[in-house]
Amino acid sequence: KAGVTQTPRYLIKTRGQQVTLSCSPISGHRSVSWYQQTPGQGLQFLFEYFSETQRNKGNFPGRFSGRQFSNSRSEMNVSTLELGDSALYLCASRPVAGDGYEQYFGPGTRLTVT
Amino acid sequence: AQKITQTQPGMFVQEKEAVTLDCTYDTSDQSYGLFWYKQPSSGEMIFLIYQGSYDEQNATEGRYSLNFQKARKSANLVISASQLGDSAMYFCAMEEAGGTSYGKLTFGQGTILTVHP
Repeated sequence: KAGVTQTPRYLIKTRGQQVTLSCSPISGHRSVSWYQQTPGQGLQFLFEYFSETQRNKGNFPGRFSGRQFSNSRSEMNVSTLELGDSALYLCASRPVAGDGYEQYFGPGTRLTVT
Repeated sequence: AQKITQTQPGMFVQEKEAVTLDCTYDTSDQSYGLFWYKQPSSGEMIFLIYQGSYDEQNATEGRYSLNFQKARKSANLVISASQLGDSAMYFCAMEEAGGTSYGKLTFGQGTILTVHP
């Protein structure tokens, strides 16, 4: 089975722009979670989608949004980029909800905001 | 709120030796899962091992074992027979059961492990 894929892998944007990141989960996985990783804040949970519904959201401003499509692929969008949004964005998928099943992570998208 | 604490920013170990990476957690939930992930310099998070809060036996996966002490709220990772390829950042993470925790892993700050030849 193919792993979780994320596109693009690297991205450079200018402050004020918006960006869309894509995540394709492992085939058959319906839950997708997104995380932001920065040197200062570490790994922080953004949101989780299951069957096209956002079921959980972390403590991020409304500039961060996401969605999930019927094929379980997910996108996250960041509008009005700020320098502090520079980070590694990781998505992870799992077959079912709930604890007991590990999340499988993609390689991440490294976003640089200048 | 749930919290994960990893008190060792960096650890060094000699190749073929065993090493323990510390992790303590805080939660008011009775049902939760504890995970360890490895992150090489490439950035991808690699799942290593899982322990459920109701599991009475310590989890083991090959060279990895989890020393779970529920009363002390600790979930230390033990890597036996260290290899050069084990050099990486290691994260302890927790997921609580329940609707407000869907898909949310709470991570510690990580421990950088360096294996010396």
